[in-house]
Amino acid sequence: QSALTQPRSVSGSPGQSVTISCTGTSSDVGGYNYVSWYQQYPGNAPKVIIYDVNKRPSGVPDRFSGSKSGNTASLTISGLQAEDEADYHCCSYAGYYTSYVFGTGTKVTVL
Amino acid sequence: QVQLVQSGAEVKKPGASVRVSCRASGYTFTNYDIHYMRQAPGQGLEWMGWMNPARGNTGYAQNFQGRVTMTRNISISTVHMDLSSLRSEDMAIYFCARGTGGLFDIWGQGTSVTVSS
Repeated sequence: QSALTQPRSVSGSPGQSVTISCTGTSSDVGGYNYVSWYQQYPGNAPKVIIYDVNKRPSGVPDRFSGSKSGNTASLTISGLQAEDEADYHCCSYAGYYTSYVFGTGTKVTVL
Repeated sequence: QVQLVQSGAEVKKPGASVRVSCRASGYTFTNYDIHYMRQAPGQGLEWMGWMNPARGNTGYAQNFQGRVTMTRNISISTVHMDLSSLRSEDMAIYFCARGTGGLFDIWGQGTSVTVSS
């Protein structure tokens, strides 16, 4: 099972919006509505910010949103803030035998 | 509070085996699956496998079939992950996480595994 494809890095100024793509196949992203996104600061464990494609856990700011079209999922951060500078990982369910596959990870830089 | 606490850092020689443990607290241990992931330096996350603590059944990623084994000790709410035949490419931070639906909602702090002769 190959990793989902994410851009290596994206950047934006405070207040701007950035979108991170996560491209898989019909066997993972395109086949299930179980895409989740994780935010990770250096030296820390990941934290879930989006699940089931577009749901936000309690406490996650509404400037984080998720969507999916075909085999590509996307995470949008609106109104970028300095504290959003982190690594972001997508993850998709991929069926009973493969179970889960992660993306290659994206570093978000706030200029 | 709900948390997963992992065992400490390990240094192993090539060819050896390593055990990483993940102790759950603050919730009913047998109600949720435990998954293990790893992250090599500067790389993304890689899913390794899962265990259902209630039934003891497991599932492993194809990349680790034959080298990884997950077991549990219900009396201490702990899932162990054993990885054998270590090589330099196995140097990584290993994480456990609680699985619920299609997400991993609680993560351990991570365990560093160094493979060096």
